[in-house]
Amino acid sequence: GENVEQHPSTLSVQEGDSAVIKCTYSDSASNYFPWYKQELGKGPQLIIDIRSNVGEKKDQRIAVTLNKTAKHFSLHITETQPEDSAVYFCARRNTGFQKLVFGTGTRLLVSP
Amino acid sequence: AAGVIQSPRHLIKEKRETATLKCYPIPRHDTVYWYQQGPGQDPQFLISFYEKMQSDKGSIPDRFSAQQFSDYHSELNMSSLELGDSALYFCASSLAFDRGKTEAFFGQGTRLTVV
Repeated sequence: GENVEQHPSTLSVQEGDSAVIKCTYSDSASNYFPWYKQELGKGPQLIIDIRSNVGEKKDQRIAVTLNKTAKHFSLHITETQPEDSAVYFCARRNTGFQKLVFGTGTRLLVSP
Repeated sequence: AAGVIQSPRHLIKEKRETATLKCYPIPRHDTVYWYQQGPGQDPQFLISFYEKMQSDKGSIPDRFSAQQFSDYHSELNMSSLELGDSALYFCASSLAFDRGKTEAFFGQGTRLTVV
């Protein structure tokens, strides 16, 4: 199937805690997996991405892991801050194609 | 750094009217994508262009058409508007399509309301 399953749909954490969002896909031709952060009334902002030849990528407090065999990838945010509150979308793209297929989104709320 | 520019930011139209949304990609980006996002939903791919040619097509209604011009900006034309067309419309751009090795950057979107 084309869809990307994303869990959880909502996630509430205390400031300083870690947050983990997971996505699962079924199309084995997928080779690129970006994560976007969308704040209210704004466009999706690319925060990190990973390609299929890499298992993990980290950028400061944000990391993404990919298990291509199991067809799932996860976003990890450590030391969360209130400004991390937003909707996060995972996405995938197939080799040779341009369109991104998005997950259903996770609303992250970080409480001070 | 320059980002993807979309205009207008907000648009209100009546049913059966037409609307034109414009997108100006990041300088030197030659690929543009259009997405539709309903309330509380994920962005849905409509169509993309590379070097002024349609390169991929998604769930774009026949009432909609789009094109990319010689300066790489793109326009999404929407006719016979329906209430269900009310949504956020995003444009994204990237460098030359290269087997999926390029990142797509999104604009701030156009909020279309059909009344």
